[in-house]
Amino acid sequence: DAGVTQSPTHLIKTRGQQVTLRCSPKSGHDTVSWYQQALGQGPQFIFQYYEEEERQRGNFPDRFSGHQFPNYSSELNVNALLLGDSALYLCASRPGKATSSYNEQFFGPGTRLTVL
Amino acid sequence: EDQVTQSPEALRLQEGESSSLNCSYTVSGLRGLFWYRQDPGKGPEFLFTLYSAGEEKEKERLKATLTKKESFLHITAPKPEDSATYLCAVQERGAQKLVFGQGTRLTINP
Repeated sequence: DAGVTQSPTHLIKTRGQQVTLRCSPKSGHDTVSWYQQALGQGPQFIFQYYEEEERQRGNFPDRFSGHQFPNYSSELNVNALLLGDSALYLCASRPGKATSSYNEQFFGPGTRLTVL
Repeated sequence: EDQVTQSPEALRLQEGESSSLNCSYTVSGLRGLFWYRQDPGKGPEFLFTLYSAGEEKEKERLKATLTKKESFLHITAPKPEDSATYLCAVQERGAQKLVFGQGTRLTINP
C-alpha cells in the first residue's frame, strides 16, 4: 500500500518564476493538506482540499494556490517566487469520515524547493 | 490564536538514558494533539494522537501523555535509531489545520 507520494523531490527556481508541486494521497484518503516547512522550524499550514474545494487556508498570500482532482490528487502552485519561499513543501492526507482513523494525517516525503 | 511550544529545543542523551520531551499548548478547544517523528530531509512520520486529558499511548520505547495544558513524550532506554526531531501539533475543534511546535532535536549517542 503506497503512502503519500510527492513530486518532484527537489526543485531549483529563480525569483519571479512559477512552480507546481504534485501530491498523491494515501490509498483510501480523500482529504489533502499542504504545509511549508522552513529549515529548523515546524510545518506551517497552507491550505486543505476536500471534494475538490479549498476548506481552510492559513496565513499565506494569494501567490499560493491549489487544486484537487477527482482522483483526490492535488497540486500546489506558487507564483512570483521569492527567496523566502525556499522550504520543504509537505503534503498530508487523511482518510474519509467513515473511518476510525479519520483524524490522523499522514505526510509525504516532501518537495525541497530552492529559490535563487 | 493556537500556540505550541516545545522544550528543550535540542537534547543529547546516552544510549539507555531515559528522558522526556515537553509540548505546551494553548488552544480554545482541543480536538486532538499529535506527535510526529521527522528524520532529516524527510516528511514527518505519525506516532500518536491524544484526544483528552489523562490519555496515554505507547509504542515501543515511546509513551505519550496529555494534560489540559501540555503533553509529554517519554523515551525509555533509547537507542541511537531514536535520534530524530520530534514534532508536536494541535488541532482546534472545528478546524482542519494542524498547528506545529518548532520541534525537539533528539540525539542518542551509542
